[in-house]
Amino acid sequence: KAGVTQTPRYLIKTRGQQVTLSCSPISGHRSVSWYQQTPGQGLQFLFEYFSETQRNKGNFPGRFSGRQFSNSRSEMNVSTLELGDSALYLCASSLNPAGDTDTQYFGPGTRLTVL
Amino acid sequence: GNSVTQMEGPVTLSEEAFLTINCTYTATGYPSLFWYVQYPGEGLQLLLKATKADDKGSNKGFEATYRKETTSFHLEKGSVQVSDSAVYFCALDSNSGYALNFGKGTSLLVTP
Repeated sequence: KAGVTQTPRYLIKTRGQQVTLSCSPISGHRSVSWYQQTPGQGLQFLFEYFSETQRNKGNFPGRFSGRQFSNSRSEMNVSTLELGDSALYLCASSLNPAGDTDTQYFGPGTRLTVL
Repeated sequence: GNSVTQMEGPVTLSEEAFLTINCTYTATGYPSLFWYVQYPGEGLQLLLKATKADDKGSNKGFEATYRKETTSFHLEKGSVQVSDSAVYFCALDSNSGYALNFGKGTSLLVTP
């Protein structure tokens, strides 16, 4: 079974631009979560979607947004990029139909560099 | 909220040495506990998990036991290999649901 895929793998943008990252979950998984990984802050939760609905959101500004499509693929968007948004963005998928967090399977990440 | 604290390292060991990476947690309720591993340039891979007290997760020679009395989930391996060099993350369910809270990660370097 194919794993979680993320595109693109690497991205370079300049301050003020916006960016869209894509994530395709494992087949059959309907929950998709996004995390930001930086050397200073470590791994931080951005948001989680299930059946096209956002069920949980981390403590990030409104410039960070996401959505999920009917085929469970997800995108996250960051508008008005800042230097501090440079990070590895990780997507994870799980079955997680309800209740407690199910095991999350991570993709390889998208490395975003903001200049 | 739920959180984990793990030793930060870096930890440097010789091949075949015994490994322990400490992880303690603070949580309401009974969260599931996880160890993930991240190899250079890659995403996170689930190493093992435990969902209730006294459960032992194990995989690839690694083990961790969910200890409610000491609120710990220490990772151990009896004999490390060079290929185990990676960053190891302890994690638990967020009490807000549908998310994981991670520790800062412990870098492990195994030398031949």
